[in-house]
Amino acid sequence: EDKVVQSPLSLVVHEGDTVTLNCSYEVTNFRSLLWYKQEKKAPTFLFMLTSSGIEKKSGRLSSILDKKELFSILNITATQTGDSAVYLCAPAQGGSEKLVFGKGTKLTVNP
Amino acid sequence: DGGITQSPKYLFRKEGQNVTLSCEQNLNHDAMYWYRQDPGQGLRLIYYSQIVNDFQKGDIAEGYSVSREKKESFPLTVTSAQKNPTAFYLCASSGAHSLSGGYTFGSGTRLTVV
Repeated sequence: EDKVVQSPLSLVVHEGDTVTLNCSYEVTNFRSLLWYKQEKKAPTFLFMLTSSGIEKKSGRLSSILDKKELFSILNITATQTGDSAVYLCAPAQGGSEKLVFGKGTKLTVNP
Repeated sequence: DGGITQSPKYLFRKEGQNVTLSCEQNLNHDAMYWYRQDPGQGLRLIYYSQIVNDFQKGDIAEGYSVSREKKESFPLTVTSAQKNPTAFYLCASSGAHSLSGGYTFGSGTRLTVV
């Protein structure tokens, strides 16, 4: 059975802190891993990772994939209140391109 | 502007009634997906379709039905057989065999059974 485990499930920090969100996965026919940010309604795309060890960066966010250990992390530096959201990890399965979502990490950034 | 539209945003239904949620996209995407999200849970796949006139069950298809008669449209019917239908429903689309930009999601329909 396909499994995606995100940790922590919930995290409360102060503005300016750095956070690391974790995602471990076991999915059949793994192709890539995607990260999404969900604030109120529709998730918005952050990153897609296909190769191990290559960090993807977008401003204060960065992510890396370890295909050997079946693990990915999402880092956010100098957090802002606007980073408050649920962050979803989703491995993609080749062929069908189905995404298997974890439960998400709820990040709250206090001023 | 290209995008994916779900309607209605909020829907109330009496127990025992079927209800259909609309999902339309103008992105020329081949693949479309329906997910359900419950509080504190991730997204769970209900049905998906990779091509017109074809669709497959996801992990929680019981009590739901879909059709894919047009490339642009992938409506979801929540039937009276679905035991716990109150949830947030998200529709998504992607180019087949290409996830370079991830899925495009609609803004969701929140269904409440009263």
